[in-house]
Amino acid sequence: SYELTQPLSVSVALGQTARITCGGNNIGSKNVHWYQQKPGQAPVLVIYRDTNRPSGIPERFSGSNSGNTATLTITRAQAGDEADYYCQVWDGSTAVFGGGTKLTVL
Amino acid sequence: QVQLVQSGAEVKTPGASVKVSCKASGYTFTNYYMHWVRQAPGQGLEWMGMINPSGGSTYYAQKFQGIFTMTRDTSTSTVYMELSSLRSEDTAVYYCARGYSGSFYDYWGQGALVTVSS
Repeated sequence: SYELTQPLSVSVALGQTARITCGGNNIGSKNVHWYQQKPGQAPVLVIYRDTNRPSGIPERFSGSNSGNTATLTITRAQAGDEADYYCQVWDGSTAVFGGGTKLTVL
Repeated sequence: QVQLVQSGAEVKTPGASVKVSCKASGYTFTNYYMHWVRQAPGQGLEWMGMINPSGGSTYYAQKFQGIFTMTRDTSTSTVYMELSSLRSEDTAVYYCARGYSGSFYDYWGQGALVTVSS
């Protein structure tokens, strides 16, 4: 089965740039989606199909995907960005999620 | 506006079954697959399966085949999930999520906590 690997945690200073990676075998050939989840809340889609932002998601959120790594980039990090982030792909007829990354804004 | 409203929290004993509902509104119910995703306490997201509300066809993650059933009621725009032979490891928040173009999840329910305890 296909596996997605994310770092358990990423820290970023307030106002700086955070990068959260999602590793998978030839993930560049798949569409990668990213979700933000704050404590006690349902996940929220922040990036779809590698690079696209849903309406209402700030331009500070962006995505890229190439080779074996997809990346979610958050520029000018704010305290409100502190959350868990999950990447997701499809492997055949099965949805696969990464293990999640806790983003801490210092 | 699109809304997915799930039924409330449940407490079950090991070996029992649980049924959770997800009522959709604000869009054409039969145009989008509905998926179920669960999250154990302090853990990540786990995909369980999906249902096509139009014809009722289902696809289950291998792990849940035989113990997990999804159904739908088009008259009320509601999908249901039922998990049987519950174990303590099934304690989790269960989410329904609308699948967009068979790819990503653009709307999620608020989640339903299922606690399995003797």
